[in-house]
Amino acid sequence: QSALTQPASVSGSPGQSITISCTGTSSDVGNYNLVSWYQQHPGKAPKLMIYEGSKRPSGVSNRFSGSKSGNTASLTISGLQAEDEADYYCCSYAGSSTWVFGGGTKLTVL
Amino acid sequence: EVQLVESGGGLIQPGGSLRLSCAASGFTVSSNYMSWVRQAPGKGLEWVSVIYSGGSTYYADSVKGRFTISRDNSKNTLYLQMNSLRAEDTAVYYCVRLSGSYPGTDFDYWGQGTLVTVSS
Repeated sequence: QSALTQPASVSGSPGQSITISCTGTSSDVGNYNLVSWYQQHPGKAPKLMIYEGSKRPSGVSNRFSGSKSGNTASLTISGLQAEDEADYYCCSYAGSSTWVFGGGTKLTVL
Repeated sequence: EVQLVESGGGLIQPGGSLRLSCAASGFTVSSNYMSWVRQAPGKGLEWVSVIYSGGSTYYADSVKGRFTISRDNSKNTLYLQMNSLRAEDTAVYYCVRLSGSYPGTDFDYWGQGTLVTVSS
């Protein structure tokens, strides 16, 4: 149950697009279409942003999109806004009714 | 409106025990998949345990044999019994609903978390 690999930090200017990668293995990300992404502001609980790799829950901006290729999933945020500044975590089903999260990525909006 | 409210956190000595509770409203705990996810101070999220609607339970290797997830259907409440606590169990513990068809697709509702501090 090793954590998925995410970059520690990414940054972008308002209006730009950024992509956060999430690398796992053929036992988790690569084997299931069950990657989800969470946004967490300081002192708050995480919020679901993407599920099943690319689906958006009701109420989540369409500026957020997800994709997957092989063992790597990605979260793209387009038209960056100040309120997007937060920590982002990926999560994948890892088989045998277990789940694994990524280490988290701090997004800074310059 | 779905709400999850955790309680039971606090300061506990290494080797001690603690039981966390999570009172749910707006949905039925026993009909859903429920999980605990924790976050050590300044660190990332870590999945801890899940209980399925049928009652099956699963744990992360880091807590297997020490933690027990359970629920009280009459109280619509989820629990996490934590025994043999270690310093590395210090974290905010979140009660979370696991949505979707088996084995679950995403963690869609989160409580506000309760802090457990293991220290002498």
